[in-house]
Amino acid sequence: AQKITQTQPGMFVQEKEAVTLDCTYDTSDPSYGLFWYKQPSSGEMIFLIYQGSYDQQNATEGRYSLNFQKARKSANLVISASQLGDSAMYFCAMREVYTGTASKLTFGTGTRLQVTL
Amino acid sequence: DTEVTQTPKHLVMGMTNKKSLKCEQHMGHRAMYWYKQKAKKPPELMFVYSYEKLSINESVPSRFSPECPNSSLLNLHLHALQPEDSALYLCASSLGAGVYEQYFGPGTRLTVT
Repeated sequence: AQKITQTQPGMFVQEKEAVTLDCTYDTSDPSYGLFWYKQPSSGEMIFLIYQGSYDQQNATEGRYSLNFQKARKSANLVISASQLGDSAMYFCAMREVYTGTASKLTFGTGTRLQVTL
Repeated sequence: DTEVTQTPKHLVMGMTNKKSLKCEQHMGHRAMYWYKQKAKKPPELMFVYSYEKLSINESVPSRFSPECPNSSLLNLHLHALQPEDSALYLCASSLGAGVYEQYFGPGTRLTVT
């Protein structure tokens, strides 16, 4: 069984500063994918960034980067130059192959990020 | 366009009612998902459809009945729900059911009275 752990229930960051949200995972499957999603108070889950287990380089998407350390089983999200609109809940998630035709996405408990002036 | 739409946005229903939630995507995705999210908790997978066939049912009670009439549309039929079923119901889609990113709709906030 796979497991995702986010140990920071809440984080504060000042506007324009960088922040790192932690995520560790546990799986015995060699093929998996790691995702970060943002959920504002409106409820919609917004896809931010993806890292595949075989990817050699850390994923980046604009102000988001993923610090992937496979041996430590960690996939931390780094947000650079924080903006007020970044205030939201952030979920780390992992997909493993579930059957031959489907896979399952499991989420961590989330980190609530508050960006302050 | 990475849009998944869901209707209605809000739904209040009694325990004896029958209602349906609707989800639609026009991105050519072949996998669609229903998740349930309680307040301050992560989403929990309910069902996965791959190529219009039910691939995963996470032991969801039969009062929730999914349906995938075509590759763009996903419904969740609700009948005889309990107050504890009140939650945000999220629909998602992905290119395939493999390790692809999922795109979520805005959700339907369901209250069972």
